[in-house]
Amino acid sequence: NAGVTQTPKFQVLKTGQSMTLQCAQDMNHNSMYWYRQDPGMGLRLIYYSASEGTTDKGEVPNGYNVSRLNKREFSLRLESAAPSQTSVYFCASSVTGLVVYEQYFGPGTRLTVT
Amino acid sequence: KQEVTQIPAALSVPEGENLVLNCSFTDSAIYNLQWFRQDPGKGLTSLLLIQSSQREQTSGRLNASLDKSSGRSTLYIAASQPGDSATYLCAVRNNYGQNFVFGPGTRLSVLP
Repeated sequence: NAGVTQTPKFQVLKTGQSMTLQCAQDMNHNSMYWYRQDPGMGLRLIYYSASEGTTDKGEVPNGYNVSRLNKREFSLRLESAAPSQTSVYFCASSVTGLVVYEQYFGPGTRLTVT
Repeated sequence: KQEVTQIPAALSVPEGENLVLNCSFTDSAIYNLQWFRQDPGKGLTSLLLIQSSQREQTSGRLNASLDKSSGRSTLYIAASQPGDSATYLCAVRNNYGQNFVFGPGTRLSVLP
């Protein structure tokens, strides 16, 4: 049981390049989330997916797109990277329904945009 | 809009001390509150989850309490150890929407 996995662990991009961050969970959770963590700003929600086939914007969605490929996988795409997107990106998952259970986090992707 | 604050921002204590970390939130209409630990360069590890109907949760040396009416939660760590050194974050989920709102964290150092 690997929990939440993320790839890649590190990435350096030039301004304007695109990339996709991958996330997968093997806990059969219905909800998945993408956060970014910046010094002094804490963790902020980018997008979330309450269930397979649905996605919704979080607090800071501009410049990102997401795809909930199936129940296990939730990807985050940067179409045209900007230096302001330099951050650590975390994927998380949880069970939500009549009761909301705890979130489980992946190890993060450290992204630098030059 | 829900806002979450954590005091103190940093704390340094000698090994063996009992300590309390604080988390405050502005909107009491929360669904649950979760405490996490984050080691440098790592992801977040869940410590305790308190549902809005609960007053406290315990796990080993950790005890988290919740007072919704005053918008506060505390994380009590008993008999601290150097291995407890990390950043501790709290996050609340509101009754409305799917968002979890995180506090900025408390950086804890436990000195041998």
